[in-house]
Parts: sequence; structure tokens; C-alpha cells
Amino acid sequence: GQQLNQSPQSMFIQEGEDVSMNCTSSSIFNTWLWYKQDPGEGPVLLIALYKAGELTSNGRLTAQFGITRKDSFLNISASIPSDVGIYFCAGQRLEYGNKLVFGAGTILRVKS
Amino acid sequence: DGGITQSPKYLFRKEGQNVTLSCEQNLNHDAMYWYRQDPGQGLRLIYYSQIVNDFQKGDIAEGYSVSREKKESFPLTVTSAQKNPTAFYLCASSIVTGGDGYTFGSGTRLTVV
Repeated sequence: GQQLNQSPQSMFIQEGEDVSMNCTSSSIFNTWLWYKQDPGEGPVLLIALYKAGELTSNGRLTAQFGITRKDSFLNISASIPSDVGIYFCAGQRLEYGNKLVFGAGTILRVKS
Repeated sequence: DGGITQSPKYLFRKEGQNVTLSCEQNLNHDAMYWYRQDPGQGLRLIYYSQIVNDFQKGDIAEGYSVSREKKESFPLTVTSAQKNPTAFYLCASSIVTGGDGYTFGSGTRLTVV
């Protein structure tokens, strides 16, 4: 099935650092979503974006819906240890029956 | 509180046995989904259902079966035909129209010994 190109695949963070990840696609989407999965749990929705160019914040998280509707990025500012986990981007469009198309995930680990 | 419940959290089964994973939601969502996740990997769609008594195969349906007799419930059976069933299984639900994404359950970790 179709997947989004999510990068980086994994990264190490040091407390206080800013983190960036992004997702790209060859198809356009009507909605972009970002999820976080803690170890052994299900993904939880962090941010949903509904309009091209939209920039939305949720605490230390900021996400943008790309102008072309084919990409999105997520920034985490001043990272803390509980930010570790897997971050998934997802795109949604009516033509796909509203089923989500997921990226492969970005694994955030703490630098020791 | 509305939500989606998967049970059990951990499941151990012997090779060759069928096993059924439960997924129940009280969000009044029409659509439900099953995903498989292997360690450090992304989500792969097994089956989905957008309406009661109807379901569709996802990308990796072989060795799995589902039923959707009630709107609230979408159980997944991992059959003995599934070659490598040990994995983390996630259930999700959503409305059919509208871009609000999915609500996920907390997952079931299946280990086949």
C-alpha cells in the first residue's frame, strides 16, 4: 500500500534540543496528522492540519501543512526525556475512502 | 468517557492455535481498522470495516480473519495460517467522512511460542 516518506528514520535527542521531522508524498492530501506512540501503547494524536499553509502549535510542538499539500513537518522545541517515542505522520483524503496513509515513523531516543 | 478498548494487553499462544483479539469502541464510529506493528517498524493495515457486516482486506490480510456483527466491535482472529504472528496489534476507529484521523486502542502484544 501507499506510504508517506518520513524522515529522519531515527534520531537521538539531548534534553533542551529542538527536533525536526518531515513527511513528503507524491499525492496531495486534504488533512495531515501527527501521532506519537509511547513504547507498548497505541499512537495518540498530537496535531491535525486541515488547510494548505496552516501552521499549528500545541505546547512545544509546531506542525505545518505544506503549501503544495504534499508535505508536512513537525518541530519539537526544547525537548525533554518524555518526548522519546515513535512519531508518525499521516495523510487523509476522501478519494482514499478517508483511510489514513502513514509514514514509517521517526524514532526519537535520548542521547546518553 | 468514550474510547477504544483492546484486550488482552498481552497474549501468549502455542504455535498452530487460532487466537482472537478483542476491540470494542463506544465512540459511535462507523469505521474500524486493524494494524500490525513489528518492533521498530511502522503500521501495516490488516483489515478495515466502514460499516456493520462489511469489511475489506488491507495490505497484509493473509492468515487473519475479522467479523463486524456490531458497530462497537471488530474482533481479529490470527489463524494458524499466519506464518509469523508474533507482533503488536493495534485497533483503531474513525468516522467515515471528515478528516479527524483515527483513535487508537492501547494494543495487544501477541507472542506465539
